[in-house]
Amino acid sequence: SQQGEEDPQALSIQEGENATMNCSYKTSINNLQWYRQNSGRGLVHLILIRSNEREKHSGRLRVTLDTSKKSSSLLITASRAADTASYFCATLNQAGTALIFGKGTTLSVSS
Amino acid sequence: GAGVSQSPSNKVTEKGKDVELRCDPISGHTALYWYRQRLGQGLEFLIYFQGNSAPDKSGLPSDRFSAERTGESVSTLTIQRTQQEDSAVYLCASSPSGRRTDTQYFGPGTRLTVL
Repeated sequence: SQQGEEDPQALSIQEGENATMNCSYKTSINNLQWYRQNSGRGLVHLILIRSNEREKHSGRLRVTLDTSKKSSSLLITASRAADTASYFCATLNQAGTALIFGKGTTLSVSS
Repeated sequence: GAGVSQSPSNKVTEKGKDVELRCDPISGHTALYWYRQRLGQGLEFLIYFQGNSAPDKSGLPSDRFSAERTGESVSTLTIQRTQQEDSAVYLCASSPSGRRTDTQYFGPGTRLTVL
């Protein structure tokens, strides 16, 4: 079963604009991670935010976590065409042995 | 250093045939994961190996699916009597120790098409 659900499913923006993607999850978490996938193949880890953190930055990425609402957001500032990809949030299963992914947000950045 | 590698990158097979997919994790990583991703979907967990511990097979969808790992190195995922519903990208990942805060490093995946 899927733990995280991303919103929106698809997002189209112009270069230079900001892109915001949201993720909701169902159970308590130790941490939440965001991944990026290009062309439906390998995933690249972007950022991990722990359950006791509320906000984290990495370059043009800003992630927030609201454990009371069981939600997280990923903000990409000053987007570039190269940011075009699918973005997934993921949390660990109860056993801590695997990540559970949502269906992802497909971001398209046009120049 | 080298990342996670998978082979083949693409595999087309006929319904009913067996297939073997291979994963080479990052050297020194004790944890290895297999996931499946159907078109337009997120990743589904299949199986997890951690060192010499018994694998977590809870994600395997049927007894046609099995996986092995030799020590802390190569893993093979075998699908017997393939069905069209098995068509997907199969992704392998490894992490240094399998801790909850570990980053998982993914390979490029094997795209399996069952005709």
